[in-house]
Amino acid sequence: DTEVTQTPKHLVMGMTNKKSLKCEQHMGHRAMYWYKQKAKKPPELMFVYSYEKLSINESVPSRFSPECPNSSLLNLHLHALQPEDSALYLCASSQRGTSEGEQYFGPGTRLTVT
Amino acid sequence: GQSLEQPSEVTAVEGAIVQINCTYQTSGFYGLSWYQQHDGGAPTFLSYNALDGLEETGRFSSFLSRSDSYGYLLLQELQMKDSASYFCAVRDSYKLSFGAGTTVTVRA
Repeated sequence: DTEVTQTPKHLVMGMTNKKSLKCEQHMGHRAMYWYKQKAKKPPELMFVYSYEKLSINESVPSRFSPECPNSSLLNLHLHALQPEDSALYLCASSQRGTSEGEQYFGPGTRLTVT
Repeated sequence: GQSLEQPSEVTAVEGAIVQINCTYQTSGFYGLSWYQQHDGGAPTFLSYNALDGLEETGRFSSFLSRSDSYGYLLLQELQMKDSASYFCAVRDSYKLSFGAGTTVTVRA
């Protein structure tokens, strides 16, 4: 099984809402990532969890809060977002470290903030 | 930090060969990856080069020259389904950083 799953596929939320994005992998990978991707742009790293511990936070605003409940699950909690946060949010995993060249991406959650 | 350059667009006909070049500047270089992303889809891993030389996987090949800080992705026997964005990505000790991407359009 080489699949990373993400829910929901689409999310529309107001600026005062609280929502969560979910990601799951069953490949036994020990590193999990959150990326943000705007249209026609490359993925931008937000957070990295390695062995269930937060190892990288790319100076992401506190309105984004990651959580790694166990080695298979990754959440991204959203609160008081801005319209410019509208983007495709991608989860990825890799076998070991925090910067592996081979990463497996989920299909993403397309987020619209109104 | 890292800096990567790749062409923004390439157009070719079915059956042709396309080469996407990627030059990079980074400290602590570990390797160069390539990813494919179709419109509305997720990035898909294609290849990873840590050492100099050519790696071949079916119709796609990837090359790295560490001394020249240069790599390329070679797409052979182009098919319509190869129309997509292709990203090179540099791996250092800290993270994987993506280039701006090359949009490949395959025409019949």
